[in-house]
Amino acid sequence: GAVVSQHPSRVICKSGTSVKIECRSLDFQATTMFWYRQFPKQSLMLMATSNEGSKATYEQGVEKDKFLINHASLTLSTLTVTSAHPEDSSFYICSARQDSNEKLFFGSGTQLSVL
Amino acid sequence: LAKTTQPISMDSYEGQEVNITCSHNNIATNDYITWYQQFPSQGPRFIIQGYKTKVTNEVASLFIPADRKSSTLSLPRVSLSDTAVYYCLVGEGQWDTDKLIFGTGTRLQVFP
Repeated sequence: GAVVSQHPSRVICKSGTSVKIECRSLDFQATTMFWYRQFPKQSLMLMATSNEGSKATYEQGVEKDKFLINHASLTLSTLTVTSAHPEDSSFYICSARQDSNEKLFFGSGTQLSVL
Repeated sequence: LAKTTQPISMDSYEGQEVNITCSHNNIATNDYITWYQQFPSQGPRFIIQGYKTKVTNEVASLFIPADRKSSTLSLPRVSLSDTAVYYCLVGEGQWDTDKLIFGTGTRLQVFP
């Protein structure tokens, strides 16, 4: 099956710094990518939908200025957590699909810990 | 989007068949039912998808009654490596075109 690579798998940062997470579709062109966050023992919560070449659509309650999403190419989307704080510590997961009729593939996730 | 309800957790032993039922009473005509598996600290992995009746692949079977208000994921002869969280999702079209909303999932624990 298709592969979605997410990097880094784990990051620890100090409060106030920004962290960038990359999501790459390795063997297909992803017109749409989704970003989720997941707290321990909880389900995935959709944060935003990212379409290549356009602005991301954020879910209600997700601050777009804090979670910057860029989908500049058909194989790469990035999520930048700006001025991270301890409450931003979470597991972030991306997913990608080639088009609306294709299966969704998930990355392996990024564990963010903000000290 | 149809809301789904699953048991929060289930326990089983190796070699047993496990059936996880998901309720989706307000499923729409165009909705498909998809199940994902998630191991700790990993992204979800597609297991199976169906629209009606029965679907089987090398990993699992999916049973959907005629009214489609529920579905059952069947895992034959589970092993310790099947310990994971299983999510039932319902979405419009074969693949949810806009959003894929995850419910609480079922945490399956397989014991030796």
